[in-house]
Amino acid sequence: EVQLVESGGGLVQPGGSLRLSCAASGFTFSSYEMNWVRQAPGKGLEWVSYISSSGSTIYYADSVKGRFTISRDNAKNSLYLQMNSLRAEDTAVYYCAGPVAEGYWGQGTLVTVSS
Amino acid sequence: DIQMTQSPSTLSASVGDRVTITCRAGQSISSWLAWYQQKPGKAPKLLIYKASSLEDGVPSRFSGSRSGTEFTLTISSLQPDDFATFYCQQYNSYPWTFGQGTKVEIK
Repeated sequence: EVQLVESGGGLVQPGGSLRLSCAASGFTFSSYEMNWVRQAPGKGLEWVSYISSSGSTIYYADSVKGRFTISRDNAKNSLYLQMNSLRAEDTAVYYCAGPVAEGYWGQGTLVTVSS
Repeated sequence: DIQMTQSPSTLSASVGDRVTITCRAGQSISSWLAWYQQKPGKAPKLLIYKASSLEDGVPSRFSGSRSGTEFTLTISSLQPDDFATFYCQQYNSYPWTFGQGTKVEIK
């Protein structure tokens, strides 16, 4: 059974940092490109970042460029999102997701940026 | 960025109704379009990919179609479990972009 389990969310002050993790199992993680997608409370879905299977190609949404860093450790079957200089508008549930046609999504982890 | 315009934003329907949701892409995305269902507090669930391919395990009452840059999700006979919010998503190019969502409510 495919599982993606996010962790690392929580309450952080504006300007602070958090590191999200996504633990993958049930599929060959190292063969798949991965993404982070977020959803602000009561709002729609917003793509955040992409990383290729090897980690050599990375993309970011303009809204997080220069503040967030995506990475992966294929030996640990894990995906990460380092989030710095957090703002109130970064408050959202963050999902890790695999390729669209595979339908792999985690359950999400809530990040709240507030003083 | 490719804009995805989804309509309607809200839809009131009864069990057994035929329901249609439309998504228009701002430019050509070929058939790189997915549809998701999301229930409160849950992750999006893939229903349709590549515009018309049904995800494994998804009931056959769900179907997708494409006409140029206009895409349609159809539920042939709405069931109680189908009341949720639906999103379209283009994955022709990054950044991925999503429609605004359609909330299907009980009439």
